[in-house]
Amino acid sequence: QSVLTQPPSVSAAPGQKVTISCSGSSSNIGNNYVSWYQQLPGTAPKLLIYENNKRPSGIPDRFSGSKSGTSATLGITGLQTGDEADYYCGTWDSSLSAGRGYVFGTGTKVTVL
Amino acid sequence: QVQLVQSGAEVKKPGASVKVSCKASGYTFTGYYMHWVRQAPGQGLEWMGWINPNSGGTNYAQKFQGRVTMTRDTSISTAYMELSRLRSDDTAVYYCARGNSGYDKYYYYYYYMDVWGKGTTVTVSS
Repeated sequence: QSVLTQPPSVSAAPGQKVTISCSGSSSNIGNNYVSWYQQLPGTAPKLLIYENNKRPSGIPDRFSGSKSGTSATLGITGLQTGDEADYYCGTWDSSLSAGRGYVFGTGTKVTVL
Repeated sequence: QVQLVQSGAEVKKPGASVKVSCKASGYTFTGYYMHWVRQAPGQGLEWMGWINPNSGGTNYAQKFQGRVTMTRDTSISTAYMELSRLRSDDTAVYYCARGNSGYDKYYYYYYYMDVWGKGTTVTVSS
């Protein structure tokens, strides 16, 4: 039961755009930076976005991140079949009641139609 | 190149302990935290905690406190995660991941994991 909520799935045709939302609270997204991870089937997660909107070397600019208030969004443009994967948001949660720690979103499966 | 190589798959009985290793190469081991994340079959990612390889300091997720121990051996650039009193719902793939962290002038924290191991499958079954 993650504190970060994502839609279970999104889909679009090749070449189109999808957005994935990640909803949290003031103890996590509202006051900390968000990162995004891509997990292709049967593989380890891979860092896609860090510090809300920065891309590691080698990540194409088709992937973008943004944050507003207690929500964050991952955008993927020019969708490709190779983008079919699970996507997770993540951030630090400063809540004492929840036990300070890193939290992941519930995950979103992207399907290319 | 920067990489994390994890130990092989394990099969354990309920109540036993498992110790997974993660050998780092291609970077200064003591310069980055090491996180442990697990993923049960068909489920999402779950953060277990981190170790600071420089100091040995740890921060465990509340859920695992009392059952997990993270250690490191700096002489061989290896981090370890030991989980005790195993249950069937501990069956999962366990990942180590190199962590980056800090905070800005507003004390907003940034934490992210930029290099991941391939994972170690731990199966708990009687």
